[in-house]
Amino acid sequence: TQLLEQSPQFLSIQEGENLTVYCNSSSVFSSLQWYRQEPGEGPVLLVTVVTGGEVKKLKRLTFQFGDARKDSSLHITAAQPGDTGLYLCAGTTSYNTDKLIFGTGTRLQVFP
Amino acid sequence: NAGVTQTPKFQVLKTGQSMTLQCAQDMNHNSMYWYRQDPGMGLRLIYYSASEGTTDKGEVPNGYNVSRLNKREFSLRLESAAPSQTSVYFCASSDFQIPNQPQHFGDGTRLSIL
Repeated sequence: TQLLEQSPQFLSIQEGENLTVYCNSSSVFSSLQWYRQEPGEGPVLLVTVVTGGEVKKLKRLTFQFGDARKDSSLHITAAQPGDTGLYLCAGTTSYNTDKLIFGTGTRLQVFP
Repeated sequence: NAGVTQTPKFQVLKTGQSMTLQCAQDMNHNSMYWYRQDPGMGLRLIYYSASEGTTDKGEVPNGYNVSRLNKREFSLRLESAAPSQTSVYFCASSDFQIPNQPQHFGDGTRLSIL
């Protein structure tokens, strides 16, 4: 059962554009993490958010955890070709604190 | 820093063959995980081991077995491979006893079943 749905599934944009990726669920999550995965490699953690309404910034990337802790978003300002990759959200629930539930993924391609 | 090491990186099997995927971590993590990644489906948990000596089923355990050999090593076995098991397999480790710790992933094993 996939509890985390990401949208869009694919995104192809030009360098310099802004974009937002969404991660939605009907379940409440204790914490939510965002990972980026490049071809031929495993996912690498970008950020963890734990408080409803929390906003974290990582250079041009802004992450937000929804007030009800059921959703999250990733906004990239002025995308660069180096941002290309698969973005995955993943969360823990109060009844499964030792396991991550991964979202379906958003594949981003940024063209020069 | 090695982190999480998976072997082999690529493997092609015939239907019905068996094989073991190996995973080792050098970060002294208690928890280890096996995932499979298929297009459009993110990562799905096959089995995990919260600590040395324990293993539990994840979302898609059928057709797989695991062994937590020691704190460092966690192997995944396919007893009788099926084409539906064609996928990219990732091993990960974490110290989930500390809240909100990340999972550290290997680079994956690309497995094709003919």
